[in-house]
Amino acid sequence: ELKVEQNPLFLSMQEGKNYTIYCNYSTTSDRLYWYRQDPGKSLESLFVLLSNGAVKQEGRLMASLDTKARLSTLHITAAVHDLSATYFCAATPGGGADGLTFGKGTHLIIQP
Amino acid sequence: NAGVMQNPRHLVRRRGQEARLRCSPMKGHSHVYWYRQLPEEGLKFMVYLQKENIIDESGMPKERFSAEFPKEGPSILRIQQVVRGDSAAYFCASSPLGEKLFFGSGTQLSVL
Repeated sequence: ELKVEQNPLFLSMQEGKNYTIYCNYSTTSDRLYWYRQDPGKSLESLFVLLSNGAVKQEGRLMASLDTKARLSTLHITAAVHDLSATYFCAATPGGGADGLTFGKGTHLIIQP
Repeated sequence: NAGVMQNPRHLVRRRGQEARLRCSPMKGHSHVYWYRQLPEEGLKFMVYLQKENIIDESGMPKERFSAEFPKEGPSILRIQQVVRGDSAAYFCASSPLGEKLFFGSGTQLSVL
């Protein structure tokens, strides 16, 4: 059974700082997803990482995937308040989007 | 192109009643997924459907829960004889070919 673990689960940081959220998964998964969720809202897709060594960047967020280590990271550079949200990673054993298994999420608060 | 539409946004039921949650996928999407989210938790996969077929229902409770995606009309997640433990946010997602998922705004079910 695929398990996905994120850490930290809660992170409070100041604007301008850098930080990394880690996502480990327990069995083979060829792709890894990152989503953002604002309170009371739906999930917004951030990144889909499809292969080992994949790196994607969007603004202050950068995601990477190491399939050998079964690890993905979401790096935040020079954080701003607008990035405050809950970030989820998700993996799938089947290689497609079937039955994504989500981590518990990282609740990120960025203080001015 | 409207996004994934879910209704109602909020649904209140008393114990023992039935709950029906609707999901209209994005235009052109033939894959529908249902997820459940408890407070402070990640999303848990429930069921994956294509038109008129259930592809994977491994996350569905064996009793009281059912899902369908008819040839015409929205996908329906039906919960019979609801109990307090069914209170959660239920998210629907769709995808065109089983790749990236697009999520709806969710239905918050409250069981009194």
